[in-house]
Amino acid sequence: GQNIDQPTEMTATEGAIVQINCTYQTSGFNGLFWYQQHAGEAPTFLSYNVLDGLEEKGRFSSFLSRSKGYSYLLLKELQMKDSASYLCAVRRTAGNKLTFGGGTRVLVKP
Amino acid sequence: KAGVTQTPRYLIKTRGQQVTLSCSPISGHRSVSWYQQTPGQGLQFLFEYFSETQRNKGNFPGRFSGRQFSNSRSEMNVSTLELGDSALYLCASSSGHGGDTEAFFGQGTRLTVV
Repeated sequence: GQNIDQPTEMTATEGAIVQINCTYQTSGFNGLFWYQQHAGEAPTFLSYNVLDGLEEKGRFSSFLSRSKGYSYLLLKELQMKDSASYLCAVRRTAGNKLTFGGGTRVLVKP
Repeated sequence: KAGVTQTPRYLIKTRGQQVTLSCSPISGHRSVSWYQQTPGQGLQFLFEYFSETQRNKGNFPGRFSGRQFSNSRSEMNVSTLELGDSALYLCASSSGHGGDTEAFFGQGTRLTVV
């Protein structure tokens, strides 16, 4: 199956933390990516996980559990500019084909 | 270093026509992937080209085709356009083929079919 599920929308306050969950079918897993997309702009790369555990990059961290088919993106010290859609994408085969979830719109309020 | 360049940025076509979109990847990148983005379906993979060969293909009808040239530039073509083909078409450029290779997206071509 290709289903990749993530919440449609989340709202958080500036300075807070938000966790965006992503679940996927575990068969043929070959890496998970998170992208940020501001309205009207191209998606930009945030993180890549292929092994279990936490990857930290500044205010953003991404976690993966391959056995559970589960990942999350953690955004800390939220800023207004973090208001965007966050896309979870799974690679199942060799090569660069990515299967995307529907995206999570995050709205950061003052 | 220049990013991924897609042309044109906006396009309006009539049902039944055909359209060709162009993507110039980042210099030195040999992989180009194409995606269709719509509000209802999100981002969906169309195809990937690496060193002028199609390596992966998504679940789109044969009206959607593509190619890659020796300089890694890629084009995608949609024939016999339908209203449902209205979408943002995104091109992604990667240096390698798989692994932790990151995909860099262009700004996209917004196609409207009327």
